[in-house]
Amino acid sequence: AQSVTQLGSHVSVSEGALVLLRCNYSSSVPPYLFWYVQYPNQGLQLLLKYTSAATLVKGINGFEAEFKKSETSFHLTKPSAHMSDAAEYFCAVSVNNDYKLSFGAGTTVTVRA
Amino acid sequence: EADIYQTPRYLVIGTGKKITLECSQTMGHDKMYWYQQDPGMELHLIHYSYGVNSTEKGDLSSESTVSRIRTEHFPLTLESARPSHTSQYLCASRDFYEQYFGPGTRLTVT
Repeated sequence: AQSVTQLGSHVSVSEGALVLLRCNYSSSVPPYLFWYVQYPNQGLQLLLKYTSAATLVKGINGFEAEFKKSETSFHLTKPSAHMSDAAEYFCAVSVNNDYKLSFGAGTTVTVRA
Repeated sequence: EADIYQTPRYLVIGTGKKITLECSQTMGHDKMYWYQQDPGMELHLIHYSYGVNSTEKGDLSSESTVSRIRTEHFPLTLESARPSHTSQYLCASRDFYEQYFGPGTRLTVT
C-alpha cells in the first residue's frame, strides 16, 4: 500500500520569500505523485503531477516540484510567495495509475505581508 | 476548468434525518469518487464508481450509500444522520491522470 507524509502542518512565509513544502511517499512500485491546493470553502485544484516523465515538474501559479526516487520525496517549491498563495496544500500518491489517491494530512500556508 | 458540482454547499440537520448529497459532472467521466475530510486531516476515500451501475466502498468505512444510475450523477445518501457524520464531503471525477474536485458539502448534524 502507498502512503504520503507531509512534514509540517503549518508553514508561514513572508511575501516574496521561498515557499518549500515537503512530501515523502512510500510505495513499493513507481508512483504517480500529485500536489493539490485547497482554498477556504472550495474543493481541491491540481497544481501539478508527476507521471514518470521529467523529474522536475512545473505546475500552475509558479509552483514546481522535483521527484527524487533516492529520497522518496516530491517537495513543492515556489521562488517567491504571493499573498494569494495562502491556502492548504495536499500531496497525494497513486500507483499504477489506479483509481486510488492517498493523501497526506495537508500543510497550511500563511503569507505575511 | 472542471465542471463538477455539489449541492448543497452547507447543510445543518438534526439527528435521525435522511439526507442526500448531490454530485454532478458534465465531463462524461466514468470514474467518480466521494471523499470525507475532517478539519486539518487528510481526505479519506469512502466510495467510488467505475461507471453506471458500478459502486464500491473505499478505504474508510462509512455508513453512507451511493448510487450511479447515470454517468453524470453520483449522489451520496445517509439514511439516518448522526453527529459523528459531521464532516466535509468532497466529490471528484477522473480522466486518465487527474481527479477533478467539486467544491464540497459541509455537513453538520446536531
